[in-house]
Amino acid sequence: SQQGEEDPQALSIQEGENATMNCSYKTSINNLQWYRQNSGRGLVHLILIRSNEREKHSGRLRVTLDTSKKSSSLLITASRAADTASYFCATDDLGASGSRLTFGEGTQLTVNP
Amino acid sequence: DTAVSQTPKYLVTQMGNDKSIKCEQNLGHDTMYWYKQDSKKFLKIMFSYNNKELIINETVPNRFSPKSPDKAHLNLHINSLELGDSAVYFCASNRRGANEKLFFGSGTQLSVL
Repeated sequence: SQQGEEDPQALSIQEGENATMNCSYKTSINNLQWYRQNSGRGLVHLILIRSNEREKHSGRLRVTLDTSKKSSSLLITASRAADTASYFCATDDLGASGSRLTFGEGTQLTVNP
Repeated sequence: DTAVSQTPKYLVTQMGNDKSIKCEQNLGHDTMYWYKQDSKKFLKIMFSYNNKELIINETVPNRFSPKSPDKAHLNLHINSLELGDSAVYFCASNRRGANEKLFFGSGTQLSVL
């Protein structure tokens, strides 16, 4: 079954507003990563948070991780039209054979100018 | 100087045909992957190779055969294409181990008619 589930599935906001996306997962993890996918393109890595970290920042991005609740959130502050994309969380699962990331279903973010 | 490049970008073919997708990375990574993204954008790992050795094979029909001639290349050959094979196929690479982000190609949109 799928590891990551994201909420909401779709989010529409106005430019300048903040966008928050949530991810829940089922098993123990090494780390959790967030990726962005623009329409018709490949995924691009945004940020990685390790299982022993609780919060991480990168520019306008803020990621939190709560391993007790098996959940993470991605906050994009002061959103721009160019932030319109699908956002995926991915978990690097402890004990999984091989080196793999398991992706969630993604959140489609639309930022209206 | 694209990091992970895959060809072709679009592939339209008839049921029953055999087709190949090629992938090359110039990042010096030792691990390469094939992911399949369905129409709902769900991304699922298919295969992973580390230094030309298959390390992940995710219950993919044996009509799908990956081939890695060297650690910079991972091709995907699909025999007897079926309608359900229609999807976007992504190649990715990284250095093996936890905490390593994936670099994705731009995808191959496969349409089986």
